[in-house]
Amino acid sequence: GNSVTQMEGPVTLSEEAFLTINCTYTATGYPSLFWYVQYPGEGLQLLLKATKADDKGSNKGFEATYRKETTSFHLEKGSVQVSDSAVYFCALSRNSNYQLIWGAGTKLIIKP
Amino acid sequence: DAGVTQSPTHLIKTRGQQVTLRCSPKSGHDTVSWYQQALGQGPQFIFQYYEEEERQRGNFPDRFSGHQFPNYSSELNVNALLLGDSALYLCASSSTTGGRETQYFGPGTRLLVL
Repeated sequence: GNSVTQMEGPVTLSEEAFLTINCTYTATGYPSLFWYVQYPGEGLQLLLKATKADDKGSNKGFEATYRKETTSFHLEKGSVQVSDSAVYFCALSRNSNYQLIWGAGTKLIIKP
Repeated sequence: DAGVTQSPTHLIKTRGQQVTLRCSPKSGHDTVSWYQQALGQGPQFIFQYYEEEERQRGNFPDRFSGHQFPNYSSELNVNALLLGDSALYLCASSSTTGGRETQYFGPGTRLLVL
């Protein structure tokens, strides 16, 4: 079946550190891939997406590349800020039914 | 441009009761999906409505039902509430013309069942 696996958190970094949050997936066909972010007490916000292999999604300094050969969509940022502290979710959508299938989320804590 | 709105923001019910949650999609969106997010977990897909019909359904019992109105807004109904139904219920909207795979979420309704 379809599934998403994310690295477990919490991930704790100092401000200006480099961030990687790993995400791998299992899916039939060619899913679309997403990163969503959930700030404390808020709903889910779309951070970035990629709809086909080798596409790179980017937003607010975050990037992720759709790697079909390794079935991965790792989230990266070159220099994190305290305001990036949140829970990050990786998700996939099979284009046949548009359900989002989610990872368990990775809590990111950035210390000043 | 209003985003996805949900009401109420919080709700407390007791076991066995029934609850109705409401969602208004983002302007220009015609598809509404509902998700349940338990504390510390990723969301789980409940169902999706398009053209006033349920189009997709996740692994949830028939106690969970929904409706979509001609203005694209939607309701989620849960009957015979169980303690395990306590969760954040998220509504997401998308557009068949803009790419239904990209979903935009509301702030959620936090349901507590006592």
